[in-house]
Amino acid sequence: ETGVTQTPRHLVMGMTNKKSLKCEQHLGHNAMYWYKQSAKKPLELMFVYNFKEQTENNSVPSRFSPECPNSSHLFLHLHTLQPEDSALYLCASRDRDFSGELFFGEGSRLTVL
Amino acid sequence: EDQVTQSPEALRLQEGESSSLNCSYTVSGLRGLFWYRQDPGKGPEFLFTLYSAGEEKEKERLKATLTKKESFLHITAPKPEDSATYLCAVQAEDTGNQFYFGTGTSLTVIP
Repeated sequence: ETGVTQTPRHLVMGMTNKKSLKCEQHLGHNAMYWYKQSAKKPLELMFVYNFKEQTENNSVPSRFSPECPNSSHLFLHLHTLQPEDSALYLCASRDRDFSGELFFGEGSRLTVL
Repeated sequence: EDQVTQSPEALRLQEGESSSLNCSYTVSGLRGLFWYRQDPGKGPEFLFTLYSAGEEKEKERLKATLTKKESFLHITAPKPEDSATYLCAVQAEDTGNQFYFGTGTSLTVIP
């Protein structure tokens, strides 16, 4: 595996379900990000982790709960979501010490019924 | 407030018809400006990083340039496979972890 891998690629859940999105990076990076992408809107930063420590929480509702057990893995736990949470959720990683660019995964398309 | 604006929102070109996409930005201090390509249903793919005014980067039919207020992505003799959404993002000096994205330009190249 190379790059940034996200699973599942597609997820449909009801408003009362609990599910998780998983991200794994194979680039040796030390920072990981969750972004939300909705149609006609800029990418919306949700969370940032540096060396497993959360450094940014962009006023995200508590129904989204991130977890970063190590510098290669990032999870987004979802519970009691709303239909307006339907979007493409993107994971990204970068090397804070070397260069600025983010490397993205393919995304998880979430539909909340 | 830091802001990124991309124009046009959508662009249709004939194959071979060169054009430019614009990214205007306002940040307190620019650490870097980034261009990405995004295909439908996929994550953004990194294209270029620009750090200072006057800098240029090229890759195949794409060339990115940077001034103190905006960046251009020039597409020379585009092909249908260049059809995608092109995203611009900036990283500010005082908010190093954060990247501010524009809404993108949707490019369609017609054979």
